[in-house]
Amino acid sequence: EAGVTQFPSHSVIEKGQTVTLRCDPISGHDNLYWYRRVMGKEIKFLLHFVKESKQDESGMPNNRFLAERTGGTYSTLKVQPAELEDSGVYFCASSRRQLSSETQYFGPGTRLLVL
Amino acid sequence: ILNVEQSPQSLHVQEGDSTNFTCSFPSSNFYALHWYRWETAKSPEALFVMTLNGDEKKKGRISATLNTKEGYSYLYIKGSQPEDSATYLCASFVSWGKLQFGAGTQVVVTP
Repeated sequence: EAGVTQFPSHSVIEKGQTVTLRCDPISGHDNLYWYRRVMGKEIKFLLHFVKESKQDESGMPNNRFLAERTGGTYSTLKVQPAELEDSGVYFCASSRRQLSSETQYFGPGTRLLVL
Repeated sequence: ILNVEQSPQSLHVQEGDSTNFTCSFPSSNFYALHWYRWETAKSPEALFVMTLNGDEKKKGRISATLNTKEGYSYLYIKGSQPEDSATYLCASFVSWGKLQFGAGTQVVVTP
């Protein structure tokens, strides 16, 4: 079974530019999550999809961030326009169910650097 | 405690030695505690999901205990090996799939 994949692995952009991150969850996982780790700090929740619907987007920092999951398969996270403080590692995770005991499987992350 | 906290932030261990470190989490409205092992540039690897007070889980040389009444979990590494070098993350399940992470404990095992 293939794991969660993310693309690109790294992205370096200038302030004001747009970047789109992609996540492909494990096949059959209806639940997809985005998290972010800013340098030296804890991984923080951004949002949660159940199939194509946003279950919880309470962690999205502001309206420069837009997440989509058309068709309930892969998801994209767009940052437009990017700011310096958006630099960090963006993780995607997926799970079959959203139970507390359900393991969330993480991708390797996209390392975003905004200059 | 409102946040998930891990201590120490980092530790150095000699190969062959055993070590342990702590994850503290809000004890009210507890659902589950997740432990992950993360090597930079790789996917965080799920180690354990713990739900019951007194739970003990083991995977190879790594084990964990859980105290939900006082809000802490210990992770133990027995006979540390260089391949155990990683950042160990704990996360409390908050609600509807949301995990609240600690900042991690970075373990460096030196030969």
